[in-house]
Amino acid sequence: QKEVEQNSGPLSVPEGAIASLNCTYSDRGSQSFFWYRQYSGKSPELIMSIYSNGDKEDGRFTAQLNKASQYVSLLIRDSQPSDSATYLCAAPFSGGYNKLIFGAGTRLAVHP
Amino acid sequence: DGGITQSPKYLFRKEGQNVTLSCEQNLNHDAMYWYRQDPGQGLRLIYYSQIVNDFQKGDIAEGYSVSREKKESFPLTVTSAQKNPTAFYLCASSIGGAGADTQYFGPGTRLTVL
Repeated sequence: QKEVEQNSGPLSVPEGAIASLNCTYSDRGSQSFFWYRQYSGKSPELIMSIYSNGDKEDGRFTAQLNKASQYVSLLIRDSQPSDSATYLCAAPFSGGYNKLIFGAGTRLAVHP
Repeated sequence: DGGITQSPKYLFRKEGQNVTLSCEQNLNHDAMYWYRQDPGQGLRLIYYSQIVNDFQKGDIAEGYSVSREKKESFPLTVTSAQKNPTAFYLCASSIGGAGADTQYFGPGTRLTVL
């Protein structure tokens, strides 16, 4: 069974702090990873994708990938109350086709 | 505007009724997907289609059916055989082809069984 695991949270951080969201995956064949943000009652929207080991930065967001440890993380710097949402990690099913396996998501709460 | 549309936004179904959820995209994507999301849970794949006139079952296809007669459209029918259909239904699309690429989501349809 291919799995993507996330801590459900909630992760509570003060405004301005760094929020660190973590994800592990079981399929060693996975090559690309995606972070989505989902506000309550809304559909997921893509935050970042990462394909190579190391860090990828986009504004206040940094994705980190460690394929040896099967670990991917998302850092949010200078967290804002508007970042309060559920963050979904997704990894492809390496057995073929274009399937993504989603984690259950981590709920982030940024308090003023 | 390019994007994915789903209709209706809210849908109420009576016991024993079949209902069809609409999904349309104008992104010229080959691949389309249907997911179900239950409260506090992640997305579960119902059906996916890599190309017109072809589709495959996902992890929870029982009680659902789909068609892919046009590239732009991928409707989902929730049949009376689906015993617990109350959920948030999300349609997504991606460019397709070999390997995994980014999936983009529609706004979703919230289905409630009365």
